[in-house]
Amino acid sequence: KAGVTQTPRYLIKTRGQQVTLSCSPISGHRSVSWYQQTPGQGLQFLFEYFSETQRNKGNFPGRFSGRQFSNSRSEMNVSTLELGDSALYLCASSFGASNQPQHFGDGTRLSIL
Amino acid sequence: DQQVKQNSPSLSVQEGRISILNCDYTNSMFDYFLWYKKYPAEGPTFLISISSIKDKNEDGRFTVFLNKSAKHLSLHIVPSQPGDSAVYFCAASAQGTYKYIFGTGTRLKVLA
Repeated sequence: KAGVTQTPRYLIKTRGQQVTLSCSPISGHRSVSWYQQTPGQGLQFLFEYFSETQRNKGNFPGRFSGRQFSNSRSEMNVSTLELGDSALYLCASSFGASNQPQHFGDGTRLSIL
Repeated sequence: DQQVKQNSPSLSVQEGRISILNCDYTNSMFDYFLWYKKYPAEGPTFLISISSIKDKNEDGRFTVFLNKSAKHLSLHIVPSQPGDSAVYFCAASAQGTYKYIFGTGTRLKVLA
């Protein structure tokens, strides 16, 4: 059974640019969540989508946005990149009911120069 | 406000002994708790979870204990193996929020 797939694995951008990251969930999973991981900060919740609807979001500026498609694939977009956006971005999927384990992809490492 | 705290950044244990990783939370609405293991350059891997209606859940070498009155959970690994060396994250969620709050992780090193 294929796991969560995130593309690309690595990305280098410069300040002011924008970036789009992609996540394909495990087959049958309808919920996709996004997290930002920086050193010493653990995983910070960005947002969660289920059936193309955002059900919850974390405390991130509006430069961070996401969407989910009808096939449950999800994209995350960050506009006007800042140096502080350098991080590992992780995507997790689940069936979507409350209180279920999420399963993570290997992440996209974003570096801002 | 860090709602889920892992106060020990690192832990070293001898192979074959017990590893105990701790996690504290502040939000009394949390009713589902999970532990993940993370190796470098990989995403977190789900290990074990526990609902607030239980105080213990076991899966092989892994046992999670939940003390609701103390708002504390712990992960016991017995016996510890060198392959268990990784960063361990605890996470918590409240029913209906679809949002998981993670601790900052504890790096476990199992010495051969």
